[in-house]
This record gives sequence, structure tokens and C-alpha cells, in this order.
Amino acid sequence: KAGVTQTPRYLIKTRGQQVTLSCSPISGHRSVSWYQQTPGQGLQFLFEYFSETQRNKGNFPGRFSGRQFSNSRSEMNVSTLELGDSALYLCASSYVSGGPSTDTQYFGPGTRLTVL
Amino acid sequence: AQSVTQPDIHITVSEGASLELRCNYSYGATPYLFWYVQSPGQGLQLLLKYFSGDTLVQGIKGFEAEFKRSQSSFNLRKPSVHWSDAAEYFCAVGAQSAGKSTFGDGTTLTVKP
Repeated sequence: KAGVTQTPRYLIKTRGQQVTLSCSPISGHRSVSWYQQTPGQGLQFLFEYFSETQRNKGNFPGRFSGRQFSNSRSEMNVSTLELGDSALYLCASSYVSGGPSTDTQYFGPGTRLTVL
Repeated sequence: AQSVTQPDIHITVSEGASLELRCNYSYGATPYLFWYVQSPGQGLQLLLKYFSGDTLVQGIKGFEAEFKRSQSSFNLRKPSVHWSDAAEYFCAVGAQSAGKSTFGDGTTLTVKP
């Protein structure tokens, strides 16, 4: 089974621009979560999507948004980029059958975003 | 609110020596606990997880962790470290839905030859 894939792997943008990152979950996984990883703040939860609906949301400004498609693929968007948005953005997918033993997150390699 | 503390930012051990990475959590109910490893420039790989049952959990790559409710701890151990174990290790606690996990700040492991 293919793992979680994220595109692009690297991205350079300038302040004020917007960016869209993509995540393809493991086949059959219906939950996709996004995390931001920075040296100063560590790993922080952004949001989780399940069956095209946002199920959980972290403490990030409204500039950060996401969506999930019917095939479970997910995108996250950051508008009006700031220097502090430079980070590794990680996507994770999980199966979610209702039992906790299946709710294990599998992470993609991440997208490294640099804002200049 | 749930939280995770990894007291050791950086640990150095000699190859072949034993390893213990500490993790303390704060959570109101029975937590779902995870350990992940991250190599430079890579995503996170799950080492092991605890949901319920036996408090000693075996994982991949020879790692194990023990859940101690009385100490709110979930320490990761390995009896003999290999040079390839050098990486950053994250402890995480999840709510009923593991789609939202809270991570510790990580412990960087250096392995001396």
C-alpha cells in the first residue's frame, strides 16, 4: 500500500502570497489531519477532516484553511503569507472505523514552506 | 487541556548502551499515547502506541514503552541502541479521535560510536 503523499515537497513564497498544499492519504483512510512543525513551536495541530467535514480545529488564524474531497484527498491553504508561516507542514491519515485500535495516524514526508 | 512534556531536549548515548526517553502527559481521562521518530527532513514514523490493556507496549525497531498511570508517564526504552537510531523522538497524546494529537517538544538522540 502506498503511504501518505504530499505535494509539493518544497515551496518558496513571498510575504502576502497564498499557497495551497496537497495531501493524498493512504488508500481507504478517511481522516486527514494537518500539522505545522517549526523549531520554535514544535508540532502544532492545524485541523482534521473526516468525510469532507472539518472535525477538529487547532488554534490557528483564519488565514489557514483546508478542505477534503470525496476521494479523501485534502488540501490546505494559507492566505496572506507571513514570515512566521515558514515551516514543515505535515499531513497524517488514519482509517477511523470507530475503534481506537484503528485510529493510528500515518504521516507523510511533509511540505517545507519557506516564506521570504 | 491535554499536554505532553519531554523533559530531555537532547540525549547522547554510546552505541550498544541502553536508552530511556522520558514522557509525561496531562489528560483528564485514559489517554491514547504514541511515540514517533523523525529523521532529518522526513515525516514522523510511528514506533508504538498505547490505547488500553497491557501497560508494557512493544513497538518496531526493538523499542518498548511502559504506561504508568500513577506517574502520568509513558517512557520509551531500548536495551541496545544502534547508530541508526539517531533521530528526534516525539511523544504524543490523543483524545478519542487520534486525528487530533498533542505532541511534546521532542528529544534529539545522538549516538556515539
